Amino acid sequence: EVQLLESGGGLVQSGESLRLSCAASGFTSMNYVMSWVRQAPGKGLEWVSSIHIGGGITYDADSVRGRFTISRDNSKNMLFLQMNNLRADDTAVYYCVKGRSDWLDAFDIWGHGTTVTVSS
Amino acid sequence: EIVLTQSPGTLSLSPGERATLSCRASQTVFSSYLAWYQQKPGQAPRLLIYSTSTRATGIPDRFSGSGSGTDFTLTISRLEPEDFAVYYCQQYSSSPLFTFGPGTRVDIK
Repeated sequence: EVQLLESGGGLVQSGESLRLSCAASGFTSMNYVMSWVRQAPGKGLEWVSSIHIGGGITYDADSVRGRFTISRDNSKNMLFLQMNNLRADDTAVYYCVKGRSDWLDAFDIWGHGTTVTVSS
Repeated sequence: EIVLTQSPGTLSLSPGERATLSCRASQTVFSSYLAWYQQKPGQAPRLLIYSTSTRATGIPDRFSGSGSGTDFTLTISRLEPEDFAVYYCQQYSSSPLFTFGPGTRVDIK
């Protein structure tokens, strides 16, 4: 079964850091663009970051650029999101998502999400 | 930057009725790179439609997508009880890479 399992969420203070992890199973994640999408409480979906198949090319939303870093370990089928200098408006459920292909494409597999709460 | 607008914000319908959801882009969505997702309370979103009109794996044929340029539509031909949810459109054609619309909630009337 194709599955994504996020971990690493929690409660932190404003200005602190957190590292999210996502374990992929049932497919070879290195063949796909992988991304993080977040959803603030009661709000809509917001794309956060994406990483190309080789890991050498990354893309970030303006709201997180310079603070968040996406990375991947293809040997372990893992995706990561290093979040630094967290702010209250980063509070959200963070979803690990798989793109349909090795380029920009729709997100066909979603994890269940991990909750990040930033207190000010 | 492409901004997506969805209408209506909320759609109140009865099971068996037809639902028509609109997604409008502020600029042309190239190559029809537009997708639709369904999200139920407490669950992750699920891909319904990609490339404007292609149903994702396992999606029933009562869901259909259409449109081009800046105007796109998701149609649910006959609402089933499990279809009452929030629906988001998403473009993946240009900067910023991925943009979601604000969502349309389909409620039971």
